Amino acid sequence: DAGITQSPRHKVTETGTPVTLRCHQTENHRYMYWYRQDPGHGLRLIHYSYGVKDTDKGEVSDGYSVSRSKTEDFLLTLESATSSQTSVYFCATGGRGNQPQHFGDGTRLSIL
Amino acid sequence: GESVGLHLPTLSVQEGDNSIINCAYSNSASDYFIWYKQESGKGPQFIIDIRSNMDKRQGQRVTVLLNKTVKHLSLQIAATQPGDSAVYFCAENMPRGTGNQFYFGTGTSLTVIP
Repeated sequence: DAGITQSPRHKVTETGTPVTLRCHQTENHRYMYWYRQDPGHGLRLIHYSYGVKDTDKGEVSDGYSVSRSKTEDFLLTLESATSSQTSVYFCATGGRGNQPQHFGDGTRLSIL
Repeated sequence: GESVGLHLPTLSVQEGDNSIINCAYSNSASDYFIWYKQESGKGPQFIIDIRSNMDKRQGQRVTVLLNKTVKHLSLQIAATQPGDSAVYFCAENMPRGTGNQFYFGTGTSLTVIP
């Protein structure tokens, strides 16, 4: 989706280091989401935001934190990365209720 | 369309044939469903959606059928083309106080044979 940019697209880092992934949207959507995608699993929700400074946990939130200081940007932080957090991370934006979520092209994160 | 272990279900069809991809969803309270297409190295792309008060919805070359009795969704693609080759997965939405909670299937890999 041209309106959602994730950075970096690829990252390799070491266990124990902090990592921050960025999602930037130009859609002015209120809701933003972070998912991880792993083989054998569907997309799993990590955290989401329902407004500036308003966030909530998803089903796999342990080890992750998020921040949203303005509508356009939603940051995902791994405070101390572990190998189990090696994954592809997707950001999505959308509305509430019966409205689809739209996704960025993902960040491939490898933790060695 | 749900996978077992690490391997996605696969579907191979000849170009020009119709494709049917299936998905079982888990929660009878889910009120909204989406089909996504994901190409290698890309994010999921919205294809079509359907609300729980409908049982069929048509788009351009695609049709989604919803059977709430057995909690089953299907995606039909007419006249399948090589560009349709991708992983397809369904998502179900359960309303939640502060937003949507979507649950995603693991997907089916569609290969179109020219």
